[in-house]
Amino acid sequence: DTGVSQNPRHKITKRGQNVTFRCDPISEHNRLYWYRQTLGQGPEFLTYFQNEAQLEKSRLLSDRFSAERPKGSFSTLEIQRTEQGDSAMYLCASSHDRGYEQYFGPGTRLTVT
Amino acid sequence: QKEVEQDPGPLSVPEGAIVSLNCTYSNSAFQYFMWYRQYSRKGPELLMYTYSSGNKEDGRFTAQVDKSSKYISLFIRDSQPSDSATYLCAMRAGKLIFGQGTTLQVKP
Repeated sequence: DTGVSQNPRHKITKRGQNVTFRCDPISEHNRLYWYRQTLGQGPEFLTYFQNEAQLEKSRLLSDRFSAERPKGSFSTLEIQRTEQGDSAMYLCASSHDRGYEQYFGPGTRLTVT
Repeated sequence: QKEVEQDPGPLSVPEGAIVSLNCTYSNSAFQYFMWYRQYSRKGPELLMYTYSSGNKEDGRFTAQVDKSSKYISLFIRDSQPSDSATYLCAMRAGKLIFGQGTTLQVKP
């Protein structure tokens, strides 16, 4: 399977705990994006990488959120001291440098209790 | 005001109906306009894209962009139960800026 993969698919955590999600993009794609989607809403942009460089971060990405793409391949998104408002679907997408199409993974559904 | 506005529906139609989905946007700099389809518990998948103004047709789907009115549409002809999903419009500005999504149900 050459699509975007995300792990875990589901995560339930207690408020205050830290969580980390992983995204494996399509292998030849240089760009990697993170989005967050809450129920009944469209995805909202969080951040994106060109290779290993993080080029843009949304104001939605508070200090508790950090994303990395250490070798320009897979990426991780960590949320520290989770809050109930962090409950959402976290989507990862990848694309070529100048490609218009972003290919989305299945998402990681986070529930903070 | 959100950059992209989309009626959330839900929209329920009988099989075979023509469906019209619409979005408005505020940023006149947008050049790439996309429609994504999202099934329940899945990631969005690109359905169609249009560059600048005009129409684009792909099978039962037609995308229209009117930049002068900042209005985009997706038409689905001969709708099928398998078209039941949430349809998201998106504008590309490097990142994607999505509308809220319209939930469509096509009843057999």
